[in-house]
Amino acid sequence: DAGVTQSPTHLIKTRGQQVTLRCSPKSGHDTVSWYQQALGQGPQFIFQYYEEEERQRGNFPDRFSGHQFPNYSSELNVNALLLGDSALYLCASSLVTEYEQYFGPGTRLTVT
Amino acid sequence: GDSVTQMEGPVTLSEEAFLTINCTYTATGYPSLFWYVQYPGEGLQLLLKATKADDKGSNKGFEATYRKETTSFHLEKGSVQVSDSAVYFCALSEGELIFGTGTRLQVFP
Repeated sequence: DAGVTQSPTHLIKTRGQQVTLRCSPKSGHDTVSWYQQALGQGPQFIFQYYEEEERQRGNFPDRFSGHQFPNYSSELNVNALLLGDSALYLCASSLVTEYEQYFGPGTRLTVT
Repeated sequence: GDSVTQMEGPVTLSEEAFLTINCTYTATGYPSLFWYVQYPGEGLQLLLKATKADDKGSNKGFEATYRKETTSFHLEKGSVQVSDSAVYFCALSEGELIFGTGTRLQVFP
């Protein structure tokens, strides 16, 4: 039973560029959430997708957008990258009926 | 809004010592509570959970009890091992997960 997978593992981008991160949920899960974890901090909620719609959103600007596909996989897009966007981006999957979330290994984004 | 407060680390222990990591929360409703563990360079792993008051979550020798009267969910283990060295996050959920800042545990032989 495959767990949550994310790609790529690492990414280096330049300020002002755009980036797309990808996530495949754990088998059987229908909900995907994205989190940003800055170095030495706890993860911060970005948004959650269910049935291809954004269900909840945290306190992140519109530069952060997402998408969920019919197979429940998801993308996180960040436009106009800032140095402060450098972080570990974590994807978590769950069932919409449960609060328990399972995390992928993350994508380390470095903005130079 | 809802929030989680954890004791600051690092917590440094010798192998076989008793571990307590304090966690308190503020919530308007009745959240589920979780402990997650993060090993170096990895994502978060769910360690244990509790969904209502007085529930005790347990896994791999770790325990935590949901205390509504003190709004706490302290993590305990009777005898830590070197392999327990990691960062531990307390979190609550009424939908999205809200995390504490994490507590680094270092266990020495």
